[in-house]
Amino acid sequence: QITLKESGPTLVKPTQTLSLTCTFSGFSLSTSGVGVGWIRQPPGKALEWLALIYWDDDKRYSPSLKTRLTITKDTSKNQVVLTMTNMDSVDTATYYCAHLRPNDIFFDYWGQGTLVTVSS
Amino acid sequence: QSVLTQPPSVSAAPGQKVTISCSGSSSNIGNNYVSWYQQLPGTAPKLLIYENNKRPSGIPDRFSGSKSGTSATLGITGLQTGDEADYYCGTWDSSLSVWVFGGGTKLTVL
Repeated sequence: QITLKESGPTLVKPTQTLSLTCTFSGFSLSTSGVGVGWIRQPPGKALEWLALIYWDDDKRYSPSLKTRLTITKDTSKNQVVLTMTNMDSVDTATYYCAHLRPNDIFFDYWGQGTLVTVSS
Repeated sequence: QSVLTQPPSVSAAPGQKVTISCSGSSSNIGNNYVSWYQQLPGTAPKLLIYENNKRPSGIPDRFSGSKSGTSATLGITGLQTGDEADYYCGTWDSSLSVWVFGGGTKLTVL
């Protein structure tokens, strides 16, 4: 059974760097074709894809946020970490991590999400 | 502005049928599989349809998906009040090498 859970600060100040961890079970990020993505959703707004990391360490980023995002994986810990620099109030959102079906292009399992508020 | 275009809202009466459209381009929907996600109020998105028209285990056959050219459609028959949710389409954009979502459609079952 695949599960994912996001963790990190619930409140960050403007200009600070956000670090979120996705801890998963039921699959390995060393298995060929596997990927984990991050998606966020501002309150009352649509889903926005942020980043994706594959088993072979290939990484993809949203073009509009690319300069602020870094995604990494720790295969031994079954974790994926997303770092976002220079946080602003517009980055207030629920952040989700999700499992990308191996060798496919859809997210079949999602974490519960974690709400991050950016405020001084 | 989302790469994939969905109507902001749709509505229908219980028991009726509704369709939700998702319009894209040749670089995304036109050349890649489309998936659909249901987000019930206050919960995380859930996979509803994948590879254009396939349903994961546990998804009732009231939900269906189709694709034609650069557009995709989600269909829901026998509407229930429990279907009230936001629905999102998504796919890969081969030109941008990024994942893209639609802007979401809020379904109201009157």
